[in-house]
Parts: sequence; structure tokens; C-alpha cells
Amino acid sequence: EDQVTQSPEALRLQEGESSSLNCSYTVSGLRGLFWYRQDPGKGPEFLFTLYSAGEEKEKERLKATLTKKESFLHITAPKPEDSATYLCASRVYGGTSYGKLTFGQGTILTVHP
Amino acid sequence: DAEITQSPRHKITETGRQVTLACHQTWNHNNMFWYRQDLGHGLRLIHYSYGVQDTNKGEVSDGYSVSRSNTEDLPLTLESAASSQTSVYFCASSELASGGNTDTQYFGPGTRLTVL
Repeated sequence: EDQVTQSPEALRLQEGESSSLNCSYTVSGLRGLFWYRQDPGKGPEFLFTLYSAGEEKEKERLKATLTKKESFLHITAPKPEDSATYLCASRVYGGTSYGKLTFGQGTILTVHP
Repeated sequence: DAEITQSPRHKITETGRQVTLACHQTWNHNNMFWYRQDLGHGLRLIHYSYGVQDTNKGEVSDGYSVSRSNTEDLPLTLESAASSQTSVYFCASSELASGGNTDTQYFGPGTRLTVL
């Protein structure tokens, strides 16, 4: 069974204090590891897709990386507006699973000024 | 701008009633999905569709149904609402990217459903 596990469940940072969020996955035939940001009362907002081990993508203070077993979302010098829940999801290839995402439970990030 | 909308945004209903949640996208995406989000469970897939007249069950499909009569809409129906179906429901859509890479799902704003 495909599984995606995120850690920590919650993370509190001071403004400017860099850190990383972890997403571990156990899937066969990975065809994409997705990161989303979700603000309270809103739908998930797409951030990144990573396709192969070693790939990295950046957007402002965020950088996502991928290995064969996990992905990291690095947050450099965070600001209070980076506070949100960050979700990762895996997508597998082929068969009846094609096109479906399996989500982790998310990491709630709070950045204090 | 193209977008994905859901209605209503909030709904309160009673146990046993039939409820339909609407999802409309203007991207002309072939793929559409319904999820529910609950504390402790994250986002779970209810039903999905890869095109008109195509529907498939997700991991938590019991008590829900969908139909796809056009590209833009995928309504979700709760045949007989139960308290266990109190949740936040999200619709998403995607289009297969070129080159065989996986597509990106874009989410609507959600519908908060309360079943009393």
C-alpha cells in the first residue's frame, strides 16, 4: 500500500530561523512528488513537482529536494507569511492508480515575528 | 482567468437527506477529483473522472456518487447524508502534461459540510 508520512506534525520557528520539513514515501513506480501549501479555510495551492532523485526546485524562500525515499522542503529565513500547512503527495504510474495522489497528513508551520 | 469553483461554500444538512456539492472548472481539464479532508486523516480521494462519462471510485467512496456529463462539472452527491460525512470537501482538476510527465492537480476553495 502506498504511504506518505510527513514530519514533524507541527513546527514553530522564529522569523529568520531556517529549517526543513520531511516527506517520506513508500510507493512503487513514483511518477511525481508534489508539494502544496494550504492556508486556513482555503484549498491546497500547488508549489512544486519533483520527478526524479536528485532533482531540486526553488521558489522564493522554499526549496524542495527529492531522494529515492523522501523529499525535503527547506525554508530559508522564513517570514510570518510563510505560516501555513504544507502537504506532500505522491503519484504512481500505471494501472488503476494512474492519476491519483496519495497525501501525507501535513506539517503545520508557524513562523513567529 | 481560468479557475475552479465550488458551491456552496458552507452547508448544513440533516441525517438522511440527499446533498449535492457542485464543482466547476474553466480550464477544460479532462481529469477531475473529489477529496475529503478530516483531522487526523489528511486528504482522501472519494471519486475521480478522466473524462466525460468516466467515473471511478477512490479510497472512501461509500455513500457518495458522481456523474460527468460535460468537461466542466463534476457534482458530488451524498445519497443519504450521515454524521460521519461531516467534513471539508475539495474538488480538483488536472490535465496530462506533455512528454508523459504527471499532471498537476489544482484545487478549489472547498465546501464545509455539516451533517446534524
